[in-house]
Amino acid sequence: ETGVTQSPTHLIKTRGQQVTLRCSSQSGHNTVSWYQQALGQGPQFIFQYYREEENGRGNFPPRFSGLQFPNYSSELNVNALELDDSALYLCASSLVGVSNTGELFFGEGSRLTVL
Amino acid sequence: GENVEQHPSTLSVQEGDSAVIKCTYSDSASNYFPWYKQELGKRPQLIIDIRSNVGEKKDQRIAVTLNKTAKHFSLHITETQPEDSAVYFCAPNNYGQNFVFGPGTRLSVLP
Repeated sequence: ETGVTQSPTHLIKTRGQQVTLRCSSQSGHNTVSWYQQALGQGPQFIFQYYREEENGRGNFPPRFSGLQFPNYSSELNVNALELDDSALYLCASSLVGVSNTGELFFGEGSRLTVL
Repeated sequence: GENVEQHPSTLSVQEGDSAVIKCTYSDSASNYFPWYKQELGKRPQLIIDIRSNVGEKKDQRIAVTLNKTAKHFSLHITETQPEDSAVYFCAPNNYGQNFVFGPGTRLSVLP
């Protein structure tokens, strides 16, 4: 087990609604990143948080936002949901620093369906 | 930003044969080159990685080779087994931050 947990595992929303997805990082990790994975595609980088600050962002609009808490857990918020937001959302934790390995440890993901 | 491609997009091999997947990237600042395996319905998991100061790394049946000048690196799997069937993603990046994943290669190992 990687120790990264995500909730909820599945959820259904309607267009225009808002959603919050949660992630608990692996113990000892200081960085969390979020990815959107559409069916049959590779994970697309949304953003990364290091010590509660966003320090990298992919090509996603501002309605995708996030938080990292002092215990390194994290949230992904998506406002004004669109049909194309339907995907598997993956959270990954890692240890970034002098002795970092760079390895991402993924959670099982939250599958979002927007109707 | 980083532009990442993988070839081939699908690959079928007979059990026991070798498989090679190539990843090309655009950002010359990339210095960390991992490969992730994602089985159907499961999370991606790191299977092997290499840093820019090394040309090749091997772990049992899996190896990764890096050509930093040409900006590509490859995953080599020898003596393939049915459990190697999965989608493989490369994700070149700079010091383990802001990963950009390739589109994936679906490997099927036929018994």
